[in-house]
Amino acid sequence: GDSVTQMEGPVTLSEEAFLTINCTYTATGYPSLFWYVQYPGEGLQLLLKATKADDKGSNKGFEATYRKETTSFHLEKGSVQVSDSAVYFCALSGLLVNSNSGYALNFGKGTSLLVTP
Amino acid sequence: GAVVSQHPSWVICKSGTSVKIECRSLDFQATTMFWYRQFPKQSLMLMATSNEGSKATYEQGVEKDKFLINHASLTLSTLTVTSAHPEDSSFYICSARHLYQETQYFGPGTRLLVL
Repeated sequence: GDSVTQMEGPVTLSEEAFLTINCTYTATGYPSLFWYVQYPGEGLQLLLKATKADDKGSNKGFEATYRKETTSFHLEKGSVQVSDSAVYFCALSGLLVNSNSGYALNFGKGTSLLVTP
Repeated sequence: GAVVSQHPSWVICKSGTSVKIECRSLDFQATTMFWYRQFPKQSLMLMATSNEGSKATYEQGVEKDKFLINHASLTLSTLTVTSAHPEDSSFYICSARHLYQETQYFGPGTRLLVL
């Protein structure tokens, strides 16, 4: 089945630092790729997505490019703020391992980001 | 657009009681809704997929008699935790998907504490 591997956290950065959170995937087809963000005590919010190779998703200063050749979808932001502190999940829309649901979102384990003033 | 609500946001109940959680898509029709469970500092675990008008599809290891899912309309799905026990305490999150689209929109989650 398809799967997503995300870099382990937590990641601690100073305000205005550059952020990269690595995400790689394995898939048999051509999945869409997503980044979701979860603020403390809340559900997930869609941050950005890309539906095909070389697409760049962007939102709120965050960017990620769908790289088929390296099977990656790394999340970047040029200058993080304290308000960006959250858990970030990389996901793909594909076949889940051992799933009865066929196509669904397959999440990475999440990367916790803490931005300090 | 694409707002999903969940109710209640918090619930505390005694062991042995049943708890119903509602998931609503407020501004779109959701032919498919998903129910997830999230343990502290962990990723989301898909419990079941719910299609409007048909029986839910449960993931391996999820007890269908314990977690009853109903998706009676294009805007509402419910998850009932029957005879809840302390080990059912968790954060339950639903998501909904437009017809013909891949993007899932998530509710804010329901925190269940069973005493």
